[in-house]
Parts: sequence; structure tokens; C-alpha cells
Amino acid sequence: GAVVSQHPSRVICKSGTSVKIECRSLDFQATTMFWYRQFPKQSLMLMATSNEGSKATYEQGVEKDKFLINHASLTLSTLTVTSAHPEDSSFYICSARTGDSGNTIYFGEGSWLTVV
Amino acid sequence: RKEVEQDPGPFNVPEGATVAFNCTYSNSASQSFFWYRQDCRKEPKLLMSVYSSGNEDGRFTAQLNRASQYISLLIRDSKLSDSATYLCVVNRGGSYIPTFGRGTSLIVHP
Repeated sequence: GAVVSQHPSRVICKSGTSVKIECRSLDFQATTMFWYRQFPKQSLMLMATSNEGSKATYEQGVEKDKFLINHASLTLSTLTVTSAHPEDSSFYICSARTGDSGNTIYFGEGSWLTVV
Repeated sequence: RKEVEQDPGPFNVPEGATVAFNCTYSNSASQSFFWYRQDCRKEPKLLMSVYSSGNEDGRFTAQLNRASQYISLLIRDSKLSDSATYLCVVNRGGSYIPTFGRGTSLIVHP
């Protein structure tokens, strides 16, 4: 299957700082990438849909000014958690859709964010 | 009503058992359905797509019931390595945006 790489896999940051997470499609061009957040024992919650070259579409209740998403190329999308707080600590995971394979999506390895 | 609903379990079964999970979805316009497997603290991995006519992949069988708006996953001859959380994924009606259920936890014991 297609390969999606996410970095960093784990990050610890101080409250009030910003953290950037990268999501790369390694062997295909991803016209659409999705960003999810997952709290322990909860389902993946879609945060936003990111289309290359355009603004991300955020889900209801997700603060676009806090979770900045950039999808500048067909192989890279970034999520920046700005002014992070302890309640932002979570598992953040990206996925990418291969435009020519229908609706199958492939996930990055996920990023564990801990805000102290 | 949630877009995608699953019984969180856990389903606790012995090796060799057959176990089935159901997942219901609310949007009748949804066209694409999948089962993903997620191991603890890892990313989800595609297990299988679900086709209208039903499909089988080794010990795994997936079925779709559009009239009742549910999909199912049947696992035969359970292995210890099948222990994981199984996520039902349904694309929102008329779109390719995937919506996840909260997952069903399966524990296979010796």
C-alpha cells in the first residue's frame, strides 16, 4: 500500500509554545490529507481536511487559529498546534488519500504530543 | 445519532473462536465502507474494504447491508494476534471524507 510518513513521532513541549507536525506521502501524490486527533480509548476525531494549494476545511468545534494546517505541496501537509496547553496533549494522526485509488486512505504513524 | 456507531466491547474470545462485529451508519448516501485495525498506541491500518456483494479475505469476511445501514466483520478461527481494536469507517454521503467509529476492542486469549 501507499506510504505516509509522519514526524515527529513523539514530542514534549512547554505550555504556551507551538509545535509543528509534518505529514508526507512518500510514494504518491496526495491531493487530500486529513488530520485527526485521538484521545485514549476514543475514536479518531477528524479535525480538518486539507487540499493541496487551498485552505483547509475545519470540522465544527476545531479552532482554525489554534490548529494551523498548511498543504503547500502534493506530498506534504503540516499541522501546527499554536500556544499549546496541557489539554492539547493527544495522539495526532494524518492520513492521505490517493486520488486515483478511490476512497482508500493511508495513515501516518501518528504523533504523540505531550504539553507540560 | 452518531454518524458511525460501534459496540466498544471488549469482545473476549478464546483462540479458534468465530467473532462478529457490527457497525451502523446514519447517512444513507454513504458509498464507501472499510474496516481498519488499530493496535494499541499505533496508527490504524486498512484491513479490508467492504463491497456491496460482500467480500472475504482469508479468515475475514465483510458484509454490507444497505437497507439496515450496517456493515459487519466476521473473523473465523481467531488468533492471538487478532487482538486489536477494529475501526469501522464510512465515507460521508456524497464525499470521500472518512468518518470513524470509536472501534470495537477484541481480545483473543489462549
